[in-house]
Amino acid sequence: GESVGLHLPTLSVQEGDNSIINCAYSNSASDYFIWYKQESGKGPQFIIDIRSNMDKRQGQRVTVLLNKTVKHLSLQIAATQPGDSAVYFCAEKNPGGSYIPTFGRGTSLIVHP
Amino acid sequence: DAGVIQSPRHEVTEMGQEVTLRCKPISGHNSLFWYRQTMMRGLELLIYFNNNVPIDDSGMPEDRFSAKMPNASFSTLKIQPSEPRDSAVYFCASLGNVNQPQHFGDGTRLSIL
Repeated sequence: GESVGLHLPTLSVQEGDNSIINCAYSNSASDYFIWYKQESGKGPQFIIDIRSNMDKRQGQRVTVLLNKTVKHLSLQIAATQPGDSAVYFCAEKNPGGSYIPTFGRGTSLIVHP
Repeated sequence: DAGVIQSPRHEVTEMGQEVTLRCKPISGHNSLFWYRQTMMRGLELLIYFNNNVPIDDSGMPEDRFSAKMPNASFSTLKIQPSEPRDSAVYFCASLGNVNQPQHFGDGTRLSIL
């Protein structure tokens, strides 16, 4: 079956640096993508989403980029802070899957002070 | 908004015992999801409900697992009898609209000895 996967399982950065977390998806019918942040002992928390009619969306310190040509999604975090340390998941939804999200395995972001 | 509420937060019990996990979705959300998270398999969808009706339970591991949603504000996931391999974090999530992200509870950390 088709799946969502992540290129890097662990990303270590220095406080203040920009972080980029990548995600590859294989279902070309997917039209809605979501990034979640999961801190230790908590459930995944919604960060930002993007629909397939867009290629970029910005939030507070976060930007999601969507490249439908190569089926690639990225999450950029500006001026990374220790509080950003968490596991980040991407998820995709498609009409054929009844819009049930498919989650990637996650990337662990470690921010060093 | 209180968010998705799960109880208990932690459960430790001996194998063979019955375990009941509880979830209160966000008011007004008509879809509810049960997930299991482990290091080996990541986030797995077990079952989901639309308007209190189970739609897809293909992710339920075996007959020892059962889920109910007697009303719009409450769902249970039951394991009977429990086994050590059931040890995991179990998340409940709710959704108001397919074009929106799911909202997760903080999970139940289950340990079967």
